[in-house]
Amino acid sequence: SQQGEEDPQALSIQEGENATMNCSYKTSINNLQWYRQNSGRGLVHLILIRSNEREKHSGRLRVTLDTSKKSSSLLITASRAADTASYFCAPLAYTGANSKLTFGKGITLSVRP
Amino acid sequence: EPEVTQTPSHQVTQMGQEVILRCVPISNHLYFYWYRQILGQKVEFLVSFYNNEISEKSEIFDDQFSVERPDGSNFTLKIRSTKLEDSAMYFCASRGQGAYNEQFFGPGTRLTVL
Repeated sequence: SQQGEEDPQALSIQEGENATMNCSYKTSINNLQWYRQNSGRGLVHLILIRSNEREKHSGRLRVTLDTSKKSSSLLITASRAADTASYFCAPLAYTGANSKLTFGKGITLSVRP
Repeated sequence: EPEVTQTPSHQVTQMGQEVILRCVPISNHLYFYWYRQILGQKVEFLVSFYNNEISEKSEIFDDQFSVERPDGSNFTLKIRSTKLEDSAMYFCASRGQGAYNEQFFGPGTRLTVL
């Protein structure tokens, strides 16, 4: 199955710093998505990057994709305490009816005020 | 902004009882999913549903589980005879048509089996 492996497992930074989170995957993809999960809550879609895109921005988020290295990174700039959450990448090989998301263990981000 | 809703937010049941978890997907979405997350573990795929039938199911989704879209708006997950190990957060998700559409998740139902 198509599963992303996030790295590092845990990240602790000071408010205002940037947070960089990485994801690697093993097979060809159609797109890769990043999700956030606050403790005990549902998953929130953050950003989707297509396989033919190399970089995408959304507010304070910047995602890059390197299909030759089968890796992606998520950068959160000027972090806030409210960014404290778990972050997951979900690479998708196809987008038909069977386009299930397969999540890894995620990255636990702690932003200290 | 449209959102996926789930009820109840917390369900407590006795082992062996049947439970139905309810979801209202975003109205123009066509693809529906259930995932679960046992406390402290990864979010796991259970089942996908499209065009009134199951598209794919995981090995977790055995004969005790079923899904239904009874009235064109609700999407339900039924567990016929709950086990202790079914205790988890259950998330519903929906997706619109299109090659790249993301999945929108509901807030989850916490199921506790005693």
